[in-house]
Amino acid sequence: AQSVAQPEDQVNVAEGNPLTVKCTYSVSGNPYLFWYVQYPNRGLQFLLKYITGDNLVKGSYGFEAEFNKSQTSFHLKKPSALVSDSALYFCAVRFAYGGATNKLIFGTGTLLAVQP
Amino acid sequence: EPEVTQTPSHQVTQMGQEVILRCVPISNHLYFYWYRQILGQKVEFLVSFYNNEISEKSEIFDDQFSVERPDGSNFTLKIRSTKLEDSAMYFCASKRTTDTIYFGEGSWLTVV
Repeated sequence: AQSVAQPEDQVNVAEGNPLTVKCTYSVSGNPYLFWYVQYPNRGLQFLLKYITGDNLVKGSYGFEAEFNKSQTSFHLKKPSALVSDSALYFCAVRFAYGGATNKLIFGTGTLLAVQP
Repeated sequence: EPEVTQTPSHQVTQMGQEVILRCVPISNHLYFYWYRQILGQKVEFLVSFYNNEISEKSEIFDDQFSVERPDGSNFTLKIRSTKLEDSAMYFCASKRTTDTIYFGEGSWLTVV
């Protein structure tokens, strides 16, 4: 069965320090992987995606993520955290097959708290 | 930048009442979705819509739910007889043929 795991409910980091938000997945075949961010009382904003090619993908607001096939992981990273990065982060996966649906399966979310 | 827009942003309704949540997907998109997020829980897929028909629906999307694209721009989710457990944030989303699904700001539904 397809699934996404975000093992940490919350990640705390000091401003200026590097941050990592973890994500692992379980899906048959090749996955398409996504990160979305949700600010308080707001919708889901697309951050970045991995489809194919370079395992390191760069996205919005200085975030990047590394696809690791052997570890089935897609951790979100940023070299230097900002207080404004504090939000709820969701990892999502879908099958890499052609089809009309291509629904996303979301992880449970990780709350990132950046302290000044 | 084009975006998915949803109305209302918040609706309170009595149990048993019908609710219609409205969405205007990004104009050149072809695939449309509804997801929901119960408070404190993860985002769950409800239904996908393509070529004027439902292409997939989840177990949550029972007979009380329906979707419609009545014209070239709107995409609606109807809940016929709301239950307390339907209280959630409902997200509309759309995509063209690229891989990224774009979400709206959501509609908070509170059933009392």
